Amino acid sequence: EVQLVQSGGGLVQPGRSLRLSCAASGFTFGDYAMHWVRQAPGKGLEWVSGISWNSDTIGYADSVKGRFTISRDNAKNSVHLQMNSLRPEDMALYYCAKVGGLGSYYNTHFDHWGQGTLVTVSS
Amino acid sequence: AIQMTQSPSSLSASVGDSVTITCRASQGIRNDLGWYQQKPGKAPKVLIYAASSLQSGVPSRFSGSGSGTDFTLTISSLQPEDFATYYCLQDYDYPRTFGQGTKVEIK
Repeated sequence: EVQLVQSGGGLVQPGRSLRLSCAASGFTFGDYAMHWVRQAPGKGLEWVSGISWNSDTIGYADSVKGRFTISRDNAKNSVHLQMNSLRPEDMALYYCAKVGGLGSYYNTHFDHWGQGTLVTVSS
Repeated sequence: AIQMTQSPSSLSASVGDSVTITCRASQGIRNDLGWYQQKPGKAPKVLIYAASSLQSGVPSRFSGSGSGTDFTLTISSLQPEDFATYYCLQDYDYPRTFGQGTKVEIK
């Protein structure tokens, strides 16, 4: 069974940093791209960042570019999102998501999602 | 960025009704579109991928169609467990973009 277990959320002051993690199991982690998607309270879904299976291809939403960094450790079956210079508008529930297409970074849906981790940015 | 315009933003329907949700892309995206269901307090769940392919384990009352710029999600014979918010997501290009969501409520 595919499982994505997230950790690392919490309350942080504006301008500070936070690192989210997503531990994967139940599939060959190194074969799949991974993504982060967030949802502000009461709002819709927003794609944040994605990383290919071998970390060669990485993408970010304009809203986080230059502040967030995605990374993965295929030996530890985990993906991370380092969030720096956090702003109140970054406050959201963050989900990690696995793609459905083996080896694909493009043109593939998200077939499994983590449980979500809440990031609160407030002084 | 590709804009995804989803409609309606909400709808009320009864158990047994057929409902249709549409998504329009600001440019052609072939069939690179998925539909996701989200229930309160839960992570989204994929229903349809590649515009019309039913995800494994998803009931056959869910169907998708379209290509290019216009897409539809149809739920035939709405069930109590289908009351949720639905999103389209284009996976044709980056940044990935979602529709605004459609909340399906009980009439």
